[in-house]
Amino acid sequence: ETGVTQTPRHLVMGMTNKKSLKCEQHLGHNAMYWYKQSAKKPLELMFVYNFKEQTENNSVPSRFSPECPNSSHLFLHLHTLQPEDSALYLCASSQETSGGAETQYFGPGTRLLVL
Amino acid sequence: GENVEQHPSTLSVQEGDSAVIKCTYSDSASNYFPWYKQELGKRPQLIIDIRSNVGEKKDQRIAVTLNKTAKHFSLHITETQPEDSAVYFCAASRDGNKLVFGAGTILRVKS
Repeated sequence: ETGVTQTPRHLVMGMTNKKSLKCEQHLGHNAMYWYKQSAKKPLELMFVYNFKEQTENNSVPSRFSPECPNSSHLFLHLHTLQPEDSALYLCASSQETSGGAETQYFGPGTRLLVL
Repeated sequence: GENVEQHPSTLSVQEGDSAVIKCTYSDSASNYFPWYKQELGKRPQLIIDIRSNVGEKKDQRIAVTLNKTAKHFSLHITETQPEDSAVYFCAASRDGNKLVFGAGTILRVKS
């Protein structure tokens, strides 16, 4: 696989379930991101990891818990979600340098439905 | 924090015509402005970006212009084709990796 991959591609879960989303980047990047994409709303940045360290938590509820064990893998652990959390969850990666922002490459996303 | 507004929300053009999408941003310290294209059911993909030290950038049929004084930037697509139909997102960033996105523009190219 090349680029940024995400699993699963689709997920249906109840409000009491616990599930995890997985993202893997094969680009040698050092920064990874989680975004939420809801209908008719801008992409919302949720979390940023640089060199495995979380550098941004954009006021995300604690029912979303990220984990970054190494620079290539990023997880989003989900528990006790609400129906309004149903959305497309996109992972992205980039190579951060001292020279400024670099292109973020997105994965295909996980379509989440919370019942 | 940064706020990005994007207009129009939908745009229909005839094949071969030009399309222009505009974004305004609030943080004068923002210095990186990418544009992403997202086709139905697919991931967003970067199509062009511009940094604050440049006023215009062109790549074949796509161009982006930046007006730092007015804090707005625009995407220009010339000679539109049906495969240009997609949702286009602008974004702005001041510190590298924290992108703030606009709400998106649905572009329909009619053949």
